[in-house]
Amino acid sequence: DQQVKQNSPSLSVQEGRISILNCDYTNSMFDYFLWYKKYPAEGPTFLISISSIKDKNEDGRFTVFLNKSAKHLSLHIVPSQPGDSAVYFCAASPFVNSGGSNYKLTFGKGTLLTVNP
Amino acid sequence: NAGVMQNPRHLVRRRGQEARLRCSPMKGHSHVYWYRQLPEEGLKFMVYLQKENIIDESGMPKERFSAEFPKEGPSILRIQQVVRGDSAAYFCASSLSDRVNTDTQYFGPGTRLTVL
Repeated sequence: DQQVKQNSPSLSVQEGRISILNCDYTNSMFDYFLWYKKYPAEGPTFLISISSIKDKNEDGRFTVFLNKSAKHLSLHIVPSQPGDSAVYFCAASPFVNSGGSNYKLTFGKGTLLTVNP
Repeated sequence: NAGVMQNPRHLVRRRGQEARLRCSPMKGHSHVYWYRQLPEEGLKFMVYLQKENIIDESGMPKERFSAEFPKEGPSILRIQQVVRGDSAAYFCASSLSDRVNTDTQYFGPGTRLTVL
């Protein structure tokens, strides 16, 4: 049972345009969401995250939007650059009370983004 | 500050052999996690360890797999009597605490295991 779904295996955009990567989740206990970027032969690198108490978080060219009612989040990259070409993983961790831990990340299958010059 | 180190980067084993994967966390990190990525899949949590303790092994197959994080030295993921279905990329991550909303999990480059 896939609890985090990235339904687009790949996405191709032109340099300078916006890239929008989507992610859906099914588990209502998920409370914190992360995006990781992965280049070939490397490990995933943390990109940006969002807590369920927010609906938007921005960091430079990267913005993550969260729609809790739809159990949907998206990553926007503006403007896209060729160096952004990588696999992007959406991940989620469960709600935790103060003093608890939420280390267990559940990942989607990833979306391969290709930014063409 | 060196990142998370994993070795070997590539490991080839024949069915029935043992595989040992090593992970050295980032300096100052005492929380270590192992994830497995099967072909065409996302990363799946296997086990969470702190020094000398297994905290959560709920994602680890019940047989043939074991993990340790000794007081001295790297964390080890051990797979006994490997089968073809064990072929995957194994990633180690480390963090300062067990809360991802305050402390990021940093991943190593992974070990790609191929079972012939």
